[in-house]
Amino acid sequence: DAMVIQNPRYQVTQFGKPVTLSCSQTLNHNVMYWYQQKSSQAPKLLFHYYDKDFNNEADTPDNFQSRRPNTSFCFLDIRSPGLGDAAMYLCATSYTGVLHEQYFGPGTRLTVT
Amino acid sequence: GENVEQHPSTLSVQEGDSAVIKCTYSDSASNYFPWYKQELGKGPQLIIDIRSNVGEKKDQRIAVTLNKTAKHFSLHITETQPEDSAVYFCAASISFTGGGNKLTFGTGTQLKVEL
Repeated sequence: DAMVIQNPRYQVTQFGKPVTLSCSQTLNHNVMYWYQQKSSQAPKLLFHYYDKDFNNEADTPDNFQSRRPNTSFCFLDIRSPGLGDAAMYLCATSYTGVLHEQYFGPGTRLTVT
Repeated sequence: GENVEQHPSTLSVQEGDSAVIKCTYSDSASNYFPWYKQELGKGPQLIIDIRSNVGEKKDQRIAVTLNKTAKHFSLHITETQPEDSAVYFCAASISFTGGGNKLTFGTGTQLKVEL
């Protein structure tokens, strides 16, 4: 089945230690998104890629970076995680065109100790 | 930017009853309105959506309505079942100029279906 895959599902990192979360998709969608979802809150868009074009939300901290080496993969890098960065990180994909559906992966739960 | 309000924040119904969740949005440029179901520890699952040129859409026990003039949209679940228990998010979407679309989510409704 075509799907959005996130690894790992659970990640523990230390305060200030860089961490990378990964997302892959078999849907062949040209847009990929990263969302942050804190406990009992709604998902909040951090940035998205349209093909190789990176688009940052204005209020996304500089501590968050992303890479998309090819159509299928996208990475979220947190350069110096703080306690406030503990959250669920969700990857989503969509295909530009008439349809706007975004399909989400299962998420990575990040804990910062 | 877009602002989406969602009510109620919690909703408890008896199995077999109907559940209604309501959302309002602020930006008239929003043109697509999906609803997501999120179970504990999982990613949001798209359950139904509606586009701005449509007033109502139904899929089995789930229906959505959209009033563009009033900037309201609602989710209706009939004949609720225990497996419907989850957090439901509404969202309003605006297309990015370069491609893709920005989803602004409501604050979520915790639906509990009791036996």
